[in-house]
Amino acid sequence: DIQMTQSPSSLSASVGDRVTISCRASQIIGNYLNWYQQKPGKAPKLLIYAASTLQSGVPSRFSGGGSGTDFTLTISGLQPEDFATYYCQQSYITPSWTFGQGTKVEIK
Amino acid sequence: EMQLVESGGGLVQPGGSLRLSCAASGFSFSGYWMSWVRQAPGKGLEWVANIKQDDSEKHYVDSVKGRFTISRDNAKSSLYLQMNSVRGDDTAVYYCARVSVVLMLYASTHQSLDFWGQGTLVTVSS
Repeated sequence: DIQMTQSPSSLSASVGDRVTISCRASQIIGNYLNWYQQKPGKAPKLLIYAASTLQSGVPSRFSGGGSGTDFTLTISGLQPEDFATYYCQQSYITPSWTFGQGTKVEIK
Repeated sequence: EMQLVESGGGLVQPGGSLRLSCAASGFSFSGYWMSWVRQAPGKGLEWVANIKQDDSEKHYVDSVKGRFTISRDNAKSSLYLQMNSVRGDDTAVYYCARVSVVLMLYASTHQSLDFWGQGTLVTVSS
């Protein structure tokens, strides 16, 4: 199985900050990487697929990058509604997808 | 409006069985692969199972193989997860999700889970 490791596990930030979350795959996965946002008690929401393509309706302050084994999710100008947990997911090995352990973005 | 509504969760004893359902509306259910994903309390997401549009392919995470069965009824726009021989580590919120397949550059296809239900809680305990 491909292991996905996110860092950091949690971070504190202020409204307006630029935040970057990292995700590393245990083997090369090209750009087969998705990002999800989950708020407490809610279902996950797809933000980015294919490493850098923004899902329809997602604000442009979210961006994704990377390929191979190292990926990033960047939030440029953190908004109050962005405080949530973020997960990466590899879709290289289909359909045996695996998720990262999550990164919780908290208010400083 | 697209909707995925799970039901059937609850308290079940170890070794028991439970059947989860997911009712879809607002999109052409028969045109999509569908998935079950679970989340143990306070933990991350774990993909559980996938099923192809015509029921011809099914895939499972190793930990549920031989115990869980995914199925669908396209006429009823419904997805199911039959859970047998449940264990304590099956305790989780179970989400059904739609699989999006996007054709991109150089004929590569990218899959993601683009729409999720609200989840149903399964608690395995005596």
